[in-house]
Amino acid sequence: GAVVSQHPSRVICKSGTSVKIECRSLDFQATTMFWYRQFPKQSLMLMATSNEGSKATYEQGVEKDKFLINHASLTLSTLTVTSAHPEDSSFYICSASRGRENSPLHFGNGTRLTVT
Amino acid sequence: KQEVTQIPAALSVPEGENLVLNCSFTDSAIYNLQWFRQDPGKGLTSLLLIQSSQREQTSGRLNASLDKSSGRSTLYIAASQPGDSATYLCAATGNQFYFGTGTSLTVIP
Repeated sequence: GAVVSQHPSRVICKSGTSVKIECRSLDFQATTMFWYRQFPKQSLMLMATSNEGSKATYEQGVEKDKFLINHASLTLSTLTVTSAHPEDSSFYICSASRGRENSPLHFGNGTRLTVT
Repeated sequence: KQEVTQIPAALSVPEGENLVLNCSFTDSAIYNLQWFRQDPGKGLTSLLLIQSSQREQTSGRLNASLDKSSGRSTLYIAASQPGDSATYLCAATGNQFYFGTGTSLTVIP
């Protein structure tokens, strides 16, 4: 079946640095990718939706200049957390679909980010 | 490695019926168990989150239970409505997220 690879699975960084998270669709062309985050003991929240070749659509309250999303190819989307702060520590998860209305979503296993 | 299975893969019920969706996981060392719905072409919507120390959570017509010892969770939907038609996913969270393959629910008016 379709596989989405998310890397890294865990990352610890210092406050003020930037972290890049990659989401790759390994055996299908992902026209649409979604990025989510989940803070401890809270629900998964959609951050943004990205379509290949166009700018991402961010959910209300998500800073687009802080969470840079690039979806330059049909198999790769990246999320860069810029100038990370401890409050950005969270689980980040990507999902990918072929983009057609009934296309299933395939999920990465998540990236646990800890900012010290 | 954690494996999450959902049964049935698809379910079709008449409006008004109560129904149960099943989720099983192989590794009981989880932080929480979550249920989501996915509408066609859209992202996930969180429904319920059960912490590993809890046994169930309720929200409106939805009730989710968790039995860690047996590696099972169920999502109970009362008085189903056509608007409940969607794919329902469970995810077991440990050091990573492990999603089930989903149950596609159709509620027939």
